[in-house]
Amino acid sequence: DAGVIQSPRHEVTEMGQEVTLRCKPISGHDYLFWYRQTMMRGLELLIYFNNNVPIDDSGMPEDRFSAKMPNASFSTLKIQPSEPRDSAVYFCASSLGGKGNIQYFGAGTRLSVL
Amino acid sequence: GNSVTQMEGPVTLSEEAFLTINCTYTATGYPSLFWYVQYPGEGLQLLLKATKADDKGSNKGFEATYRKETTSFHLEKGSVQVSDSAVYFCALIRDSGYSTLTFGKGTMLLVSP
Repeated sequence: DAGVIQSPRHEVTEMGQEVTLRCKPISGHDYLFWYRQTMMRGLELLIYFNNNVPIDDSGMPEDRFSAKMPNASFSTLKIQPSEPRDSAVYFCASSLGGKGNIQYFGAGTRLSVL
Repeated sequence: GNSVTQMEGPVTLSEEAFLTINCTYTATGYPSLFWYVQYPGEGLQLLLKATKADDKGSNKGFEATYRKETTSFHLEKGSVQVSDSAVYFCALIRDSGYSTLTFGKGTMLLVSP
């Protein structure tokens, strides 16, 4: 299995631009998570989906952030407009449901907003 | 609410030294406990887990015992290697219903030859 695949690995953009991060979960997994990692705040859960439906988006910082999962094999996290404080590493993870399930993480997208 | 507290790093050790990274948690009931590891430039991957009190999780020479009485899940390894240099995250998931992982802030381990 290829694991969780994220693209791009690195993204550099200017303040005010739209940014779209992409994730392909492990085939057959029914939960998908988006996290943000910064030095100051550590690892934060932004949103998660179950069977393509958003379950909890309370971690999404502002209306500038949105996430979609149009099908079981693809999800996007969009920031519009981007700001320098959005600079972070964004991780996608997936799991096969149930309590205590193991989450498998992608390699992350390092976003730099200038 | 649930929370996880880890010792701050970086932890700097010489090869073959003994490692302890402390982790304590706050949660109701009997959560499951995890250690994840993040190698440079990579995502997190599960290192070990324990699902009930007194369970010991182990993998790649690392161990951690679920201590309900002290609400702790300290990570240990008898002899570290340079290749163990990474960031280690303690995490929990509560035992009722479905919930998401609650992570600690991570502890960086640096092992020198």
